[in-house]
Amino acid sequence: NAGVTQTPKFQVLKTGQSMTLQCAQDMNHEYMSWYRQDPGMGLRLIHYSVGAGITDQGEVPNGYNVSRSTTEDFPLRLLSAAPSQTSVYFCASSSQRGGQNEQFFGPGTRLTVL
Amino acid sequence: SQQGEEDPQALSIQEGENATMNCSYKTSINNLQWYRQNSGRGLVHLILIRSNEREKHSGRLRVTLDTSKKSSSLLITASRAADTASYFCATGKGAQKLVFGQGTRLTINP
Repeated sequence: NAGVTQTPKFQVLKTGQSMTLQCAQDMNHEYMSWYRQDPGMGLRLIHYSVGAGITDQGEVPNGYNVSRSTTEDFPLRLLSAAPSQTSVYFCASSSQRGGQNEQFFGPGTRLTVL
Repeated sequence: SQQGEEDPQALSIQEGENATMNCSYKTSINNLQWYRQNSGRGLVHLILIRSNEREKHSGRLRVTLDTSKKSSSLLITASRAADTASYFCATGKGAQKLVFGQGTRLTINP
């Protein structure tokens, strides 16, 4: 299993540009989440999904959109990039089947907005 | 706002010593998890302790949970250079929507 994969690894955007960060998992997990991590900080939840077709907002959703058309994929869209969105973005998946609650993280996407 | 707060923010010890990190949280939880993050990498799950458990072990890791004080501790025994990383506690009521603390940066000196 590849686990959780994210693309791209690095991205530089100009203010106002839009882009999509890709996330995929091959573990058949029902839950997927997007987090951002700013320097010296913990992770903050942007959006999450409890299954295909179901998404909800986390702590810092403004400026981001998500969709979950399949179990495997959970893309994060930046609508109009701003310098405040410069961060490292992590995608994670998890399952509650069998009482397993641990989250599996992707390697991250380092985004810089100029 | 972040639910968990780790203490200390940074910890530097000699190889072979034990490292203890603490986490405090604010609201009721179903479980508390600890994760490790090596520099520039994603987080890796270490251990989960449920709200009805008081102590849990996994290899050189020992986690305690005191729900009355809303606090948890992570003990790493016989530390190794490879344990150098940031450690985060995360709280939640299920498999999704975890809330992470700001982390403890642990440095193991040879």
